[in-house]
Amino acid sequence: AQKVTQAQTEISVVEKEDVTLDCVYETRDTTYYLFWYKQPPSGELVFLIRRNSFDEQNEISGRYSWNFQKSTSSFNFTITASQVVDSAVYFCALSLYAGANNLFFGTGTRLTVIP
Amino acid sequence: EAGVTQSPTHLIKTRGQQATLRCSPISGHTSVYWYQQALGLGLQFLLWYDEGEERNRGNFPPRFSGRQFPNYSSELNVNALELEDSALYLCASSDEQYFGPGTRLTVT
Repeated sequence: AQKVTQAQTEISVVEKEDVTLDCVYETRDTTYYLFWYKQPPSGELVFLIRRNSFDEQNEISGRYSWNFQKSTSSFNFTITASQVVDSAVYFCALSLYAGANNLFFGTGTRLTVIP
Repeated sequence: EAGVTQSPTHLIKTRGQQATLRCSPISGHTSVYWYQQALGLGLQFLLWYDEGEERNRGNFPPRFSGRQFPNYSSELNVNALELEDSALYLCASSDEQYFGPGTRLTVT
C-alpha cells in the first residue's frame, strides 16, 4: 500500500523567510511518481511538480525547489524568500501512475506567510 | 483555452437524497478523474473515466457512481446521501496538471 506523511500540519513564517515543507512516502513499488500541489483558499488544486522514482535530480523553478531522496523516502519542498501569495495548503502525493489516476495524498501543510 | 469546469459550485442536499455533480474536461482531453476532499479524511481518489468507460475506482461504496458522455464530460452521482458525504469534490482532466475548481456538497 502507498502512504504519504506530511508531519507539519501548520507552518507560519515571516515574509522573505525560506521555508521547507516535508514529505515522507512509503511504497514497495520501484516505479512510482511523486507530486506537489498547492491549494489556495479558493479550493482548486494547483499542480507544482511531478517526479518519477528514477529521477533523483533536484529541481528548481524560480523560488521553488524540490529535494528528492530515495534513501530517506523523502520529497521535500522549499520556498525561498516567501511571499504572502504563497499562503496556502500544500499537498504531497504519490501514485504508481503518471497522471491523476489514484493519487495518494498526504494530509497537507498549511503555510501562512505573515507580511 | 478553457480549463476544467465543474458545476454547480455549491450544492446543498438533505440526507437520503441524490446529488449529481458535473465536470467538463479541457477540450481534447478524454479522461476525467474524481476526488473527494472531506474534512478529516483528506483528498481521496474516487473514480477514473476514460473514453466513456470506468477505468479505476477508489475505496468508495457503490452509491458513488458516475458516467462519461461522448463529449467526455462526466457526472458523479451520489445516492442515499449521508452526512459524511459533505465534502469538496474535485475533478481532473487527463493528467495530474489540470484540476477543476470543485463542487462543495453539503448534506444536512
